[in-house]
Amino acid sequence: EVQLVESGGGLVQPGRSMKLSCAASGFTFNNYDMAWVCQAPKKGLEWVATISYDGSSTYYRDSVKGRFTISRDNAKSTLYLQMDSLRSEDTATYYCARRSGSRWDYWGQGVMVTVSS
Amino acid sequence: DTVLTQSPALAVSPGERVTISCRASESVSTLMHWYQQKPGQQPKLLIYLASHLESGVPARFSGSGSGTDFTLTIDPVEADDTATYYCQQSWNDPTFGAGTKLELK
Repeated sequence: EVQLVESGGGLVQPGRSMKLSCAASGFTFNNYDMAWVCQAPKKGLEWVATISYDGSSTYYRDSVKGRFTISRDNAKSTLYLQMDSLRSEDTATYYCARRSGSRWDYWGQGVMVTVSS
Repeated sequence: DTVLTQSPALAVSPGERVTISCRASESVSTLMHWYQQKPGQQPKLLIYLASHLESGVPARFSGSGSGTDFTLTIDPVEADDTATYYCQQSWNDPTFGAGTKLELK
């Protein structure tokens, strides 16, 4: 059974950093591109970043370029999102998702990040 | 960015047929996917590449369209289908529609 389990969220002050993790199991992790998608409270879904199966290519939405870094450790079957210079507008639930073809076929349960002083 | 426009909400009775529309600001070919999200849960993939039913999803769900106009159809609607439905394009940097909240009468 495919499982994606996010961790590392919580309350953080504006301007500080936070690192999210997503532990994958039930599939061959290094065969798949992975992504982070966020959802602000009571709002819709927004793509954040994507990383290729081998980590060689990364893509970001404009609003997080230069502040967020997506990475992966295929030996540990774990995806990461390093978030620096956090802003109040980054407050959201962050989901990791597996990319199959051009769609996201499995999603984690999400982890909440609250940026507030 | 490619903007996806969805109607905000729909209310239907169980057993009826409902269509949820999604219009793209530019052509995305058939690179359109549909997700269902229930309150407090993660999104679930229903339809990929405009018309392909994801494994394990009931055949009551179907999708159609290409270019700029896409439709998700549920027929017949069941009580468990109460949720918000999102379209998402993968033609370029991924974007989602704002979601259509489906309520049952």
